[in-house]
Amino acid sequence: NAGVTQTPKFQVLKTGQSMTLQCAQDMNHNSMYWYRQDPGMGLRLIYYSASEGTTDKGEVPNGYNVSRLNKREFSLRLESAAPSQTSVYFCASTSGNQPQHFGDGTRLSIL
Amino acid sequence: GENVEQHPSTLSVQEGDSAVIKCTYSDSASNYFPWYKQELGKGPQLIIDIRSNVGEKKDQRIAVTLNKTAKHFSLHITETQPEDSAVYFCAASRGGSYIPTFGRGTSLIVHP
Repeated sequence: NAGVTQTPKFQVLKTGQSMTLQCAQDMNHNSMYWYRQDPGMGLRLIYYSASEGTTDKGEVPNGYNVSRLNKREFSLRLESAAPSQTSVYFCASTSGNQPQHFGDGTRLSIL
Repeated sequence: GENVEQHPSTLSVQEGDSAVIKCTYSDSASNYFPWYKQELGKGPQLIIDIRSNVGEKKDQRIAVTLNKTAKHFSLHITETQPEDSAVYFCAASRGGSYIPTFGRGTSLIVHP
């Protein structure tokens, strides 16, 4: 009963490097989300996918791209990492007006 | 769009005391209000939720109340224990919207 699985759990990058964060859910949820969490800022939505085949920008999309690979998987890509993107990234999923299920996060440091 | 404000940002209590966290929302169409608990190094997890057709819901030591007229809802934890120490988030959403709006979180510290 895995729920939402994020990989990797930790990553250190150099400025300008690229990276893809992976997320998979096994609950047959329609909607998936990527958030970043910074101290004192709560959860800020980067991108979301309301259903398979659609993606939309959230509150802080600059510097990121996403791909909804299939119903289970939703990836987040940093094309050219910047120190301002140092954060903890959470993936979540849900269906309808129901609670979200979160992964345990990817802790990303950019030097 | 929806705006959710959460207070306090930090709450420190003694073991056995009660803790109350309050949220206000702006969109009268919001009809679903979950509360999440985030332990250190983990993602947020749902602990209790309430829909707009209900005024109060309880689950053991945890309760949530909703006042639709005033557009605020609160989380009540009784007989707090050290393991209740965590960050708590409130959220609001409505049918037809895919995006819940979160409060900024409350760091609850329960001193033994």
